[in-house]
Amino acid sequence: AQKVTQAQTEISVVEKEDVTLDCVYETRDTTYYLFWYKQPPSGELVFLIRRNSFDEQNEISGRYSWNFQKSTSSFNFTITASQVVDSAVYFCALIGTDSWGKLQFGAGTQVVVTP
Amino acid sequence: EAGVTQFPSHSVIEKGQTVTLRCDPISGHDNLYWYRRVMGKEIKFLLHFVKESKQDESGMPNNRFLAERTGGTYSTLKVQPAELEDSGVYFCASSHTRPDRRYGYTFGSGTRLTVV
Repeated sequence: AQKVTQAQTEISVVEKEDVTLDCVYETRDTTYYLFWYKQPPSGELVFLIRRNSFDEQNEISGRYSWNFQKSTSSFNFTITASQVVDSAVYFCALIGTDSWGKLQFGAGTQVVVTP
Repeated sequence: EAGVTQFPSHSVIEKGQTVTLRCDPISGHDNLYWYRRVMGKEIKFLLHFVKESKQDESGMPNNRFLAERTGGTYSTLKVQPAELEDSGVYFCASSHTRPDRRYGYTFGSGTRLTVV
């Protein structure tokens, strides 16, 4: 069985602060993909990043960075110098090789950035 | 390219009524998925179409839910009769391959269903 845990329900920060969202996953598959999606107030799910299980290289995209650590089954997401537009719900998700059709999502973390 | 389109964006119905949600995937995407998020919980898989065939419907909660994809184009998800616990946001996603190895899935904006 696969599971994704996002222990943080809500994080509130003041603009320009950094915020890190935790994601811990469980899977028996050796090959799997991890994703982060953003759901802004408008409702759509916006793809942010995909990482496969063989690529542990961390990635930075502008103010976003991701830290994938296979040893701890974690795929954490950091927003540097947060902005009000970053306010959204962020979901971590997993696909394993035995469930290519299904994304297993975490419960999501609501990020609130105040001016 | 047009994205995944869902409508209505919002629907408020009374318990016992019927509601039909529609999803138009990206043109040429054979794979179409339905997910839903209820009561602020995690987004859960409902079912997966490959063209017009149901590849996996293991996430469908009960027989009050009926999904179709006639002709392998758009899909509908009918809830009949609706119950209070069906309230939530229903997402549709599509992909050319499964999964799309570059971008995961392309999701629609969702339909927010409220059953009163």
